[in-house]
Amino acid sequence: EDKVVQSPLSLVVHEGDTVTLNCSYEVTNFRSLLWYKQEKKAPTFLFMLTSSGIEKKSGRLSSILDKKELSSILNITATQTGDSAIYLCALPTGTASKLTFGTGTRLQVTL
Amino acid sequence: GAGVSQSPRYKVAKRGQDVALRCDPISGHVSLFWYQQALGQGPEFLTYFQNEAQLDKSGLPSDRFFAERPEGSVSTLKIQRTQQEDSAVYLCASSPIGTASSYEQYFGPGTRLTVT
Repeated sequence: EDKVVQSPLSLVVHEGDTVTLNCSYEVTNFRSLLWYKQEKKAPTFLFMLTSSGIEKKSGRLSSILDKKELSSILNITATQTGDSAIYLCALPTGTASKLTFGTGTRLQVTL
Repeated sequence: GAGVSQSPRYKVAKRGQDVALRCDPISGHVSLFWYQQALGQGPEFLTYFQNEAQLDKSGLPSDRFFAERPEGSVSTLKIQRTQQEDSAVYLCASSPIGTASSYEQYFGPGTRLTVT
């Protein structure tokens, strides 16, 4: 059975801190790994990592895929209160490429 | 351009009522997915359409759940005889290309269903 596990489940940090979120997976046929940010309702797309693109960066956010360890990390540097959200890791699975999600990491950034 | 839209945003139903949730995907997107997100959990797959064809409905929790996309654009998720355990956020997502492709899915704002 395809499985995605995220850690920690929740995290509280002070503005300006750097955080690292973890995602580990077990899937039958790896195609890609996606990170989403969910603030209220709609998950918004952050990154997609594939075998040919194992590292992505956008501003203060970056992500790395480790295919050997079957895991990925999402780094956020110089955190801001606007980074407070649930961060979801997901992988396409099955013939339909439906996304299998982890439980998410709830990040709270305080002043 | 317009993103994925869903309606209603909130729905309160009494146990036993039928509900219908609507999803308008991004224009031209081939693939449409429905997910159910319980409180404190990640979204879980319900069903998938490629154009008007429902290719995977393995995630529908019971035969009270039914989805359609008759013209390959707008989709409706119907839940008959709602139960309290159906309370969740129902998310719709669309993607520009079809199966066996690795592509990001674009999500709508969801419908929060509360069954009392």
